[in-house]
Amino acid sequence: QQQVKQSPQSLIVQKGGIPIINCAYENTAFDYFPWYQQFPGKGPALLIAIRPDVSEKKEGRFTISFNKSAKQFSLHIMDSQPGDSATYFCAARAGGSQGNLIFGKGTKLSVKP
Amino acid sequence: TAGITQAPTSQILAAGRSMTLRCTQDMRHNAMYWYRQDLGLGLRLIHYSNTAGTTGKGEVPDGYSVSRANTDDFPLTLASAVPSQTSVYFCASSARGAANSPLHFGNGTRLTVT
Repeated sequence: QQQVKQSPQSLIVQKGGIPIINCAYENTAFDYFPWYQQFPGKGPALLIAIRPDVSEKKEGRFTISFNKSAKQFSLHIMDSQPGDSATYFCAARAGGSQGNLIFGKGTKLSVKP
Repeated sequence: TAGITQAPTSQILAAGRSMTLRCTQDMRHNAMYWYRQDLGLGLRLIHYSNTAGTTGKGEVPDGYSVSRANTDDFPLTLASAVPSQTSVYFCASSARGAANSPLHFGNGTRLTVT
């Protein structure tokens, strides 16, 4: 049973574009929603995270938008650069700091020069 | 700081053979995890350990075993490998119990079972 649904599977944008990756969940007990970025040959690394008590969080060019009523959250990358080309995973966690992360299936982003 | 060290980086294994994937962390994190990554399936949790001496099953534990004899090491063993275990395996750690503590991943072990 997939608890975090991520789309699209792949995404191609031009440099300067704003790619948007979407995730949806069903479990209302989820209380922490991180995004991880993975470059080829490397392990994933935390990019940005949000809790359900806020609707938006920005860190540099990366923004998470969170819609608690719709049980959806999304990652926006402003002014995307070729160096942003990577696979992005959304995730969710229930059970407070003791819970395990459940990952989406990932989105492979390519930013063309 | 090394963070998470995984070994080997890649391995080809004959079906039916056993193998242990090694994972060591130097961050003194209490929690450690093993994930497998498959194209189109994302990251799936195999086993985890909240603290030394304890382990738990994740989403896809069958065919795998783990042990956590100390804080730093968390080996993953395949007792009798099958081709469906061909995957990239990632070890991770976190300071579980600390709010918003992220997972720190190693660079993975690419395993091919023939």
